[in-house]
Amino acid sequence: NAGVMQNPRHLVRRRGQEARLRCSPMKGHSHVYWYRQLPEEGLKFMVYLQKENIIDESGMPKERFSAEFPKEGPSILRIQQVVRGDSAAYFCASSPGQGARGYTFGSGTRLTVV
Amino acid sequence: GQQVMQIPQYQHVQEGEDFTTYCNSSTTLSNIQWYKQRPGGHPVFLIQLVKSGEVKKQKRLTFQFGEAKKNSSLHITATQTTDVGTYFCDYGQNFVFGPGTRLSVLP
Repeated sequence: NAGVMQNPRHLVRRRGQEARLRCSPMKGHSHVYWYRQLPEEGLKFMVYLQKENIIDESGMPKERFSAEFPKEGPSILRIQQVVRGDSAAYFCASSPGQGARGYTFGSGTRLTVV
Repeated sequence: GQQVMQIPQYQHVQEGEDFTTYCNSSTTLSNIQWYKQRPGGHPVFLIQLVKSGEVKKQKRLTFQFGEAKKNSSLHITATQTTDVGTYFCDYGQNFVFGPGTRLSVLP
C-alpha cells in the first residue's frame, strides 16, 4: 500500500531551465495539495487539485508556475525559467477528500537552482 | 483574515524535560490537525481534534483542543532525542499551516 510518491527526490536546474515535479497520490486518494518549504521556514500552500480540476491555486505565483492533475498519471508541478529563489523543498500531500482527517505527505522534491 | 499563531518558535530542552507548543487562532475552528517533521524529512500526520475540550494521548504526547475551539496544545512528557523536529498545526481551513515550533533535545 504505497504512500504518496514524489519524484525526483532531488532536482538540480540551472537558472532559466524548467523544473517538473511529479506526485502520485495514495491509492484511493483523489485530492492533491502542493506545498513549498523554504529552508528553515514553514509550509506554504500553493495549489489544491482534484482529477482534471484546479480547485484552489491561491498560493501559486502568478507567473512561471503551473500545476495539473490529469485523468491518468501523476500530478505535475511545473516551474518555468527557474530562478535561485525557487530553490526549496516541494511537498505533495493527498487526502481522500477535502476536510478528510489529515494529509499524507510525500517525501518531497528538493529543488536546487544553480 | 484568519491568523494562525504558534508559540514558541523554538524550544531547546534537556532530554527528560517536558515540552509544550501552542496553536492559537483568531477565529473558532471546526477542527485542528497536528504534524511532526523531522529534520530533512517530510510532515507526518499525528492527530486530529474535533470536539471542544477534547484531549487525546499518544504515548508521551498529549493533545488538547480548547473549550472555545480557538486554541490547541501539544505536550510531550519526558522528551527524548527522537522527539527532535518541527511540530506544525493545521487549522483545516484555507490549507494554512502554523509556522511550527522547532524542538531540539539536548542529550
